[in-house]
Amino acid sequence: DAGVTQSPTHLIKTRGQHVTLRCSPISGHKSVSWYQQVLGQGPQFIFQYYEKEERGRGNFPDRFSARQFPNYSSELNVNALLLGDSALYLCASSLTAGATNEKLFFGSGTQLSVL
Amino acid sequence: RKEVEQDPGPFNVPEGATVAFNCTYSNSASQSFFWYRQDCRKEPKLLMSVYSSGNEDGRFTAQLNRASQYISLLIRDSKLSDSATYLCVVNMLNQGGKLIFGQGTELSVKP
Repeated sequence: DAGVTQSPTHLIKTRGQHVTLRCSPISGHKSVSWYQQVLGQGPQFIFQYYEKEERGRGNFPDRFSARQFPNYSSELNVNALLLGDSALYLCASSLTAGATNEKLFFGSGTQLSVL
Repeated sequence: RKEVEQDPGPFNVPEGATVAFNCTYSNSASQSFFWYRQDCRKEPKLLMSVYSSGNEDGRFTAQLNRASQYISLLIRDSKLSDSATYLCVVNMLNQGGKLIFGQGTELSVKP
């Protein structure tokens, strides 16, 4: 079975542009979470979606948005890119959204560079 | 103050050494605790959950002290393949998808 897949693996954009990152969860998983990892830091929570509804949002500006599709795949959109948005964007999937000990499975990430 | 704090290291140790990492968390409502391992710019992978009674998985031992809000990871008989960044992670009740990560501690095991 395929794990969590993310596309693209690498992306280079310039300031002011927008970007769309994609994630396909493990088959049967209904929840997708997005994380941003800046170099030298741990991943930081951006969004969680479950059954196409937003279940949680981290401390990120409105330039960041996401959605989940009926097949449970998800997109993360970032508008008006800033240099500081350069990071590894990680997607994680899980069976459900709420269980405290829910195991998350991470994709290999999208490395975004903003020039 | 960061929600989860770790010494970023790097910790440089010889093969066979025992090394310990510590982590503190600020929110006393934290419910679940984990150690993740991350190789250079790859995805984090769950190493082990951390339980109040302490738990061991082979060469790895994790401890939790809720009163002091402190988590530790002990690695015995270090291998070259243990070289990685170790992330301390907590989450809150019923917020399974929202993990709170520390900065990570870098470990380098040398021959």
